[in-house]
Amino acid sequence: NAGVMQNPRHLVRRRGQEARLRCSPMKGHSHVYWYRQLPEEGLKFMVYLQKENIIDESGMPKERFSAEFPKEGPSILRIQQVVRGDSAAYFCASSRRQGMETQYFGPGTRLLVL
Amino acid sequence: GQQVMQIPQYQHVQEGEDFTTYCNSSTTLSNIQWYKQRPGGHPVFLIQLVKSGEVKKQKRLTFQFGEAKKNSSLHITATQTTDVGTYFCAGNNFGNEKLTFGTGTRLTIIP
Repeated sequence: NAGVMQNPRHLVRRRGQEARLRCSPMKGHSHVYWYRQLPEEGLKFMVYLQKENIIDESGMPKERFSAEFPKEGPSILRIQQVVRGDSAAYFCASSRRQGMETQYFGPGTRLLVL
Repeated sequence: GQQVMQIPQYQHVQEGEDFTTYCNSSTTLSNIQWYKQRPGGHPVFLIQLVKSGEVKKQKRLTFQFGEAKKNSSLHITATQTTDVGTYFCAGNNFGNEKLTFGTGTRLTIIP
């Protein structure tokens, strides 16, 4: 039973480029969450999605960031025109249903902006 | 908005000593979850507490949820080098799917 998968595991971008982070939830999970973790800091909620719907994007910057979870395929977190401050670890988590469900985390994508 | 604080931020203990981290929320929680993150790794779910005053044990780990459901603690007895990592609590409010993570306590063990 494969866990949450994220790719790439490491991503290097120059300022101004685009970053695309992918997350495939655990089998049977239809709820996806994205978190950002700056070095030596905690996890900050960014966005919560169900298939084809954004449920809560209150933690996501209004500009340059977008997320989707299409009917088919992985969830995508997209960062346009990256800046150095976007360098962080981005974790995706999935759960089976809403409510007090355990979230299972993927290995993360470490984004480095040069 | 909801804030979840943890103390201490860092803890260095000799191997074999006990360790405790405390978690405090600014609002009442529907449940509290605890995660462990090894250096360079990702958060791994440890346990979930739901009931007021609930206490759960996992071998050397004891988890407690406060009576008011606003605070929680994790106690590790006789620490081992495998306990190294950052321990996060996380909670959500009733009807809100968003998990708010605590600031974390980073545990290092001196052999």
